[in-house]
Amino acid sequence: GENVEQHPSTLSVQEGDSAVIKCTYSDSASNYFPWYKQELGKRPQLIIDIRSNVGEKKDQRIAVTLNKTAKHFSLHITETQPEDSAVYFCAARLNRDDKIIFGKGTRLHILP
Amino acid sequence: DGGITQSPKYLFRKEGQNVTLSCEQNLNHDAMYWYRQDPGQGLRLIYYSQIVNDFQKGDIAEGYSVSREKKESFPLTVTSAQKNPTAFYLCASSVYNQPQHFGDGTRLSIL
Repeated sequence: GENVEQHPSTLSVQEGDSAVIKCTYSDSASNYFPWYKQELGKRPQLIIDIRSNVGEKKDQRIAVTLNKTAKHFSLHITETQPEDSAVYFCAARLNRDDKIIFGKGTRLHILP
Repeated sequence: DGGITQSPKYLFRKEGQNVTLSCEQNLNHDAMYWYRQDPGQGLRLIYYSQIVNDFQKGDIAEGYSVSREKKESFPLTVTSAQKNPTAFYLCASSVYNQPQHFGDGTRLSIL
């Protein structure tokens, strides 16, 4: 069945350094890949997304890359700040329906 | 995402009891979803609906039921058959091929 693997489960980064979170998906029919940020006890918030016809997308300090051949996509956060500390989820949506599969999340700690 | 309202924020269930979680949206979205979130497990899909009067099972539908009688509403019932209901439940909605918008969630616990 469909599956999204996310790594690492926990990531600690010195403030100002970059953070990278990686995901792989199993279904080649997936065509949409959002990333969500969730702070403790709150709803997930969309931070960036990418579609299958694009290889890279950037929004200020956040970028996402997609390798369709390898079925792999990554989130890159540069110049990390304390407010970047949260849990980040990747997800993939199948082309045939609106079913969205989430990764298990990465807890990002920004160290002072 | 003020367009999606989940209630109540906290809910307690007694053994053998069914409880219903409410999800209402005023975004005119066709699709609605229910997810369960446990620590370290990410978001797992319970049920989803792409259109009124139709819904599909997700990965962990056992012990849950839903209805979609109105476009705006997608209530989730946690039945007594769900033996481990303690979790954070999130409702979401979207227009086809667009990002999901989430509600604030309902935290369900067993008494």
